[in-house]
Amino acid sequence: GAVVSQHPSWVICKSGTSVKIECRSLDFQATTMFWYRQFPKQSLMLMATSNEGSKATYEQGVEKDKFLINHASLTLSTLTVTSAHPEDSSFYICSAPGLAGRHDYEQYFGPGTRLTVT
Amino acid sequence: GQNIDQPTEMTATEGAIVQINCTYQTSGFNGLFWYQQHAGEAPTFLSYNVLDGLEEKGRFSSFLSRSKGYSYLLLKELQMKDSASYLCAVGPLYGQNFVFGPGTRLSVLP
Repeated sequence: GAVVSQHPSWVICKSGTSVKIECRSLDFQATTMFWYRQFPKQSLMLMATSNEGSKATYEQGVEKDKFLINHASLTLSTLTVTSAHPEDSSFYICSAPGLAGRHDYEQYFGPGTRLTVT
Repeated sequence: GQNIDQPTEMTATEGAIVQINCTYQTSGFNGLFWYQQHAGEAPTFLSYNVLDGLEEKGRFSSFLSRSKGYSYLLLKELQMKDSASYLCAVGPLYGQNFVFGPGTRLSVLP
């Protein structure tokens, strides 16, 4: 199966600073990647769809100026949490869909990034 | 819109069988997926159903009825390591995001 990595796996930052999270598809190209956020004991909530070479599509209620997404290549998408606050502390997970040409229906998830804002 | 419902928590005994139900109401549907998620980890794919019926994969089976908007995940011969959250998700088949249910936290007791 396809492999998606995330970096860092965890990060602690001070309130007001910015944090960048990287999501990489290691053995396949991903024109689309998804960013999810998961609070404790809750399900995954889609934040935005990252599209290679074009602007990301944000879900309702997600501030695009706060959560900056860049998908500059077919293997890398980045999420930058700007001016982070304690309420942004969460588990951030990226995923990439399988390849249509291979009848691959899975979503391949990265291992997640635990963000703690103090 | 999409609405997906699952029981919040379930408890079962090691060696037993447990069925986790999922109901959904969606404007579009192309597949029902089940994921397992251990605390602090990313979800891992278990199974998917596109057509009605039962799909079996070892100790895990998943059933789908599209007319009823209903699916279940069946776990047999439960092991302690099966204690996790189980997420059902509805989504298009190709290249688009899934909508996840709230997840069911399963606790397997000795």
